[in-house]
Amino acid sequence: KQEVTQIPAALSVPEGENLVLNCSFTDSAIYNLQWFRQDPGKGLTSLLLIQSSQREQTSGRLNASLDKSSGRSTLYIAASQPGDSATYLCAVPQKNYGGSQGNLIFGKGTKLSVKP
Amino acid sequence: NAGVTQTPKFQVLKTGQSMTLQCAQDMNHEYMSWYRQDPGMGLRLIHYSVGAGITDQGEVPNGYNVSRSTTEDFPLRLLSAAPSQTSVYFCASSRRGPSGNTIYFGEGSWLTVV
Repeated sequence: KQEVTQIPAALSVPEGENLVLNCSFTDSAIYNLQWFRQDPGKGLTSLLLIQSSQREQTSGRLNASLDKSSGRSTLYIAASQPGDSATYLCAVPQKNYGGSQGNLIFGKGTKLSVKP
Repeated sequence: NAGVTQTPKFQVLKTGQSMTLQCAQDMNHEYMSWYRQDPGMGLRLIHYSVGAGITDQGEVPNGYNVSRSTTEDFPLRLLSAAPSQTSVYFCASSRRGPSGNTIYFGEGSWLTVV
């Protein structure tokens, strides 16, 4: 059974720092991997989707990498800002539950706090 | 586009009561799903649908029913609410496709069962 782990569970950094969030998964046969952001009391917003054939994906100050062979992905946030404070979750498709079409298994997230 | 709309946002139920959480999307997505999010457990899949008239169970389906009579709507029914169903519920939709899908989530429904 696929398991997704995110370390650390919480992270506090000063504004302006570059940081890396980690995601690992046990079954490397994934179609893709997604990173999400969740603000308190809100739903999830998709940040980046990396296909299995890609090594990385970039959007603004965010860069996500994928290493299927080692079962790891990282989300790099450059020049962090207080507005980046949120919980970040990674997810991979669930093979048993229509995974190729969008149902996901999630990590428990990393709660990021960026202090001014 | 409104995206994925969930109602109600907050609900308190008594044990044994039934209710329906509504979910609608206006993106013509074929795939819709319901997750629950609990502290320490993360998000878990309850039910999903690959198109109108087709539904299937996810990881934690017990105590919940779904139907998909239209592409737009995917309601989640709690048959006889239990305190263990106190949770935050998220509806999500995605476009069918072999190359991976961006998933859109609703803002969540906070349910408390007393």
